[in-house]
Amino acid sequence: GAVVSQHPSWVICKSGTSVKIECRSLDFQATTMFWYRQFPKQSLMLMATSNEGSKATYEQGVEKDKFLINHASLTLSTLTVTSAHPEDSSFYICSATEDGSHEQYFGPGTRLTVT
Amino acid sequence: TQLLEQSPQFLSIQEGENLTVYCNSSSVFSSLQWYRQEPGEGPVLLVTVVTGGEVKKLKRLTFQFGDARKDSSLHITAAQPGDTGLYLCAGARGAQKLVFGQGTRLTINP
Repeated sequence: GAVVSQHPSWVICKSGTSVKIECRSLDFQATTMFWYRQFPKQSLMLMATSNEGSKATYEQGVEKDKFLINHASLTLSTLTVTSAHPEDSSFYICSATEDGSHEQYFGPGTRLTVT
Repeated sequence: TQLLEQSPQFLSIQEGENLTVYCNSSSVFSSLQWYRQEPGEGPVLLVTVVTGGEVKKLKRLTFQFGDARKDSSLHITAAQPGDTGLYLCAGARGAQKLVFGQGTRLTINP
């Protein structure tokens, strides 16, 4: 149980284009999903908290207009990187949690490379 | 400001040795979780500790939550090459958001 998937697992895009990453909870309903960014050899940095049916809460320093988050259902959240630039290249990981639980289950991550 | 200090950040030991990773904070957490992450993959939850002083065992891994719920440790007995990976501690305070430590990159040499 508690499986979270991400799609795509990797993506290469050109500078200036937008990329959408999907995060799905496969066997449970996720009232809350989280989006993280991880640079090589570093820990996870929380970008935003996404609650189903409401606006995402962004961490300080994260541009909400650049990283668009939509959590339209209890099993799906999407992160869209708009007008991507090479500095946006990173490993993006989502996690999902059930209502009232502190345990987060992570997706396998998406490697984004912007050329 | 790093709320959770993990140490050591890097550790390379020989197969069969024991090791301990520490996770310390000046803040109290309602629960603390340990994850293991392999390159190119997402973190996998190993354990959640909730009660101060709690000890949980997972085969050769022993997790302890400090009495004051501010610190935790992970002890691995007779380490094996398959234990190699990035170990992350993460603390929860109230809302579901987690605070992550910097991680400990563990390498077990055959």
